[in-house]
Amino acid sequence: GEDVEQSLFLSVREGDSSVINCTYTDSSSTYLYWYKQEPGAGLQLLTYIFSNMDMKQDQRLTVLLNKKDKHLSLRIADTQTGDSAIYFCAESRGGGYQKVTFGTGTKLQVIP
Amino acid sequence: DVKVTQSSRYLVKRTGEKVFLECVQDMDHENMFWYRQDPGLGLRLIYFSYDVKMKEKGDIPEGYSVSREKKERFSLILESASTNQTSMYLCASSLTGTGYLETQYFGPGTRLLVL
Repeated sequence: GEDVEQSLFLSVREGDSSVINCTYTDSSSTYLYWYKQEPGAGLQLLTYIFSNMDMKQDQRLTVLLNKKDKHLSLRIADTQTGDSAIYFCAESRGGGYQKVTFGTGTKLQVIP
Repeated sequence: DVKVTQSSRYLVKRTGEKVFLECVQDMDHENMFWYRQDPGLGLRLIYFSYDVKMKEKGDIPEGYSVSREKKERFSLILESASTNQTSMYLCASSLTGTGYLETQYFGPGTRLLVL
C-alpha cells in the first residue's frame, strides 16, 4: 500500500531556515500536502502542490517536489517560535478517491 | 469557516467499557474520517464514510466500528475498550467534487486513556 515517510524531529534556531523532508511510494499521487499540528490541536492544511508542479511558493513557505525520486520538501524561511509544531506530509490520488495517506509527522522545535 | 467538533477533549475509560466518540461538522461535507494518532506512527485511518449510512474500513479497523446516521455526524465506537486503544483520536471531514483536491478539515482531537 501507500507509504509516506518523514524524519521524526528537527531543531532549528529562530531566524534560520527549516527544511522538512518527506518521501512517498505511491506513483499515482496527484496531490501532495503539508499539514501543521500545533500543540493540543487538530491538523490544519498549510499548503499543497499538484504532482505536475516542481515548486510552489507561498510567503515564507516553499514546497519542492521531485516526482522522479518521490521526494517532497517544505522550506520555512525565517523560522519563528510560532512555527514550532508537528508537520505532516500527505498524499492523495484525487479523482474522487477520497483517502489521504499521512506521514509519520516531523516535530519542529524552534530555539529562541 | 469549517468547523469540526469532537464531543470530548479528554476521556478516561476502563478496559472492557463501550466507548463512543462523536464528531460533528457544520459544512455539509460528504466525507468524514476517523484517525488515531500515535507518536512515531503518525495518523492511521480507522474508518471513513462518504455518505450517510455508508462506511469503509481504513488501515486499522479492528476493534472499532462506526455509525453515520446523519450527514453531519460520524461516531466511532470501541465495543470493548482495551489498553492498546489508548491514543489521540482525530475526526476529519472533506467535500467531494472540489476539483479532486481532498482538503481535510480536522477536529481538535480526543485524547483517550484506557485503564
